[in-house]
Amino acid sequence: EAGVAQSPRYKIIEKRQSVAFWCNPISGHATLYWYQQILGQGPKLLIQFQNNGVVDDSQLPKDRFSAERLKGVDSTLKIQPAKLEDSAVYLCASSLDFLERPNYGYTFGSGTRLTVV
Amino acid sequence: EDQVTQSPEALRLQEGESSSLNCSYTVSGLRGLFWYRQDPGKGPEFLFTLYSAGEEKEKERLKATLTKKESFLHITAPKPEDSATYLCAVDRVGNNRKLIWGLGTSLAVNP
Repeated sequence: EAGVAQSPRYKIIEKRQSVAFWCNPISGHATLYWYQQILGQGPKLLIQFQNNGVVDDSQLPKDRFSAERLKGVDSTLKIQPAKLEDSAVYLCASSLDFLERPNYGYTFGSGTRLTVV
Repeated sequence: EDQVTQSPEALRLQEGESSSLNCSYTVSGLRGLFWYRQDPGKGPEFLFTLYSAGEEKEKERLKATLTKKESFLHITAPKPEDSATYLCAVDRVGNNRKLIWGLGTSLAVNP
């Protein structure tokens, strides 16, 4: 099966600019996650979707970050305006159904490396 | 407070030198513990899920075990291609499947 697709792979922007990331999960996966991973740290959940509804966005900095998942498939994550501390890898992951016992765990994409200068 | 701690932070082994990575956790209501492998520039790759104390799972040179307080990832006769960061994450009851992640162990295997 095709994996989780993310684009772009790399992005360099100046602070206060805006940026958007795109994710296409594995076909049929109802649950989609956006994670932020700062170098040397574990992934931090930003937002979790179940189909096109938000399950958890408690750690999403809502003053600058937004995310949507139209039609319960693709998702975009936007940062506006970006700060230097937003430099990180943004990972998208999907799983079959968060209510299911995830015998195989999440499947992650390769991520987007964002550098804010 | 829920916490996942991995040790050591970094480990350097010679090829063939077996060792173990540790993941200790303090959560109420463990639903599952996950091990992932992450190579530079890539997203984490799923390795194992363990659900209950005493459970063991194996994959090639890797074996994961689980107790009520910690999990071990045993690496038997490692090869250079096993070099990666190994991440542990915990899923607990009532957390909407939001995983609690450790910081990882960076493993380097020298030929």
